Amino acid sequence: GAGVSQSPSNKVTEKGKDVELRCDPISGHTALYWYRQSLGQGLEFLIYFQGNSAPDKSGLPSDRFSAERTGGSVSTLTIQRTQQEDSAVYLCASSPRQGNYGYTFGSGTRLTVV
Amino acid sequence: GENVEQHPSTLSVQEGDSAVIKCTYSDSASNYFPWYKQELGKRPQLIIDIRSNVGEKKDQRIAVTLNKTAKHFSLHITETQPEDSAVYFCAATASGSSASKIIFGSGTRLSIRP
Repeated sequence: GAGVSQSPSNKVTEKGKDVELRCDPISGHTALYWYRQSLGQGLEFLIYFQGNSAPDKSGLPSDRFSAERTGGSVSTLTIQRTQQEDSAVYLCASSPRQGNYGYTFGSGTRLTVV
Repeated sequence: GENVEQHPSTLSVQEGDSAVIKCTYSDSASNYFPWYKQELGKRPQLIIDIRSNVGEKKDQRIAVTLNKTAKHFSLHITETQPEDSAVYFCAATASGSSASKIIFGSGTRLSIRP
């Protein structure tokens, strides 16, 4: 596609429910990244993919968080048993390849846990 | 791992004046330093980047400088305009097995006074 697409744009869920967030990167971009941005805060790294593999999962806050990528394209970030502190904007970004290239960000999914 | 410090956290300048945002990084092996602009409610967008083999780079009213010895890099905006109001994030790559991961500073909220 022309840009990085994320869905849903907004998600309100009850505490304890599971949620899935989707990211569709720019066509041909092999590297894909997930970041989290709490209100008025910076960008917290969660995980990145090179192709379908995730060399670095060090930013995932707990074992309730997981992510996968299939076909070297779409990625899903799953949060199980959501907690109120999970409320944030989840941003996905992609870049042409592994290495030192600028990211293109999606518009994010605003997750609110009530 | 890499740590990026950014200051000031907020900056207010008169329209037409210059603005300077400064960052330091901890990993001497970092070799790519992008800057992102995030307008209210929007996604971060890459505005300029610099690689470690270059000391300065300019793009119209924006310039970045890099001092590898001191592990400092800065963003300079000249002749500021109202549309420059946004949050600006500096970033640096991590090295080693996480070489594809970009670590962001905490952001600078820039306000341009008319």
